[in-house]
Amino acid sequence: GDSVTQMEGPVTLSEEAFLTINCTYTATGYPSLFWYVQYPGEGLQLLLKATKADDKGSNKGFEATYRKETTSFHLEKGSVQVSDSAVYFCALRKGAGNMLTFGGGTRLMVKP
Amino acid sequence: DTAVSQTPKYLVTQMGNDKSIKCEQNLGHDTMYWYKQDSKKFLKIMFSYNNKELIINETVPNRFSPKSPDKAHLNLHINSLELGDSAVYFCASSQDRNTEAFFGQGTRLTVV
Repeated sequence: GDSVTQMEGPVTLSEEAFLTINCTYTATGYPSLFWYVQYPGEGLQLLLKATKADDKGSNKGFEATYRKETTSFHLEKGSVQVSDSAVYFCALRKGAGNMLTFGGGTRLMVKP
Repeated sequence: DTAVSQTPKYLVTQMGNDKSIKCEQNLGHDTMYWYKQDSKKFLKIMFSYNNKELIINETVPNRFSPKSPDKAHLNLHINSLELGDSAVYFCASSQDRNTEAFFGQGTRLTVV
């Protein structure tokens, strides 16, 4: 079945550091790929998405490129802020019901 | 203004009780979902409901039953609650496989 694997956290960075959160997937066909963010005590919010190979999703300084050859969708940001502290979920959507399959989530902690 | 709203936000109940969580979306989406997030932040799909078609994740116990009175509502009813049902339950909706899912704020269910 389809699956998403993310690097385990927590990831602890200092403010203005470079961020990479790795995400790889297993799926047949051409899934759409997403990054969601969950701030403390809140629901999930879509951060960015890509619907086909080589697409780059970007939002709020975050970027991720859909790499079909490596089945990856790594999240990057050039300079993190304390306000970026949250749990980040990589997900794919494919198949009947349009259901999302999530990775395990990666907690990011940014220190001043 | 709220796109996807769930009630209640918090629910504490005793083992063996029956409870419901309500979800409403005002986005005109055709598809709604229920997800469960456990204490380790793992998110798993429970149900997808699209224009009267219910797609069930077969790992979900039949004590859980979604009910959709109309396209804008998908309620989750849980019978004979167990300690292991304690989790945060998220409702979501989307238009199709190429558009993002919008999530509610979540309902934290605690079974004691």
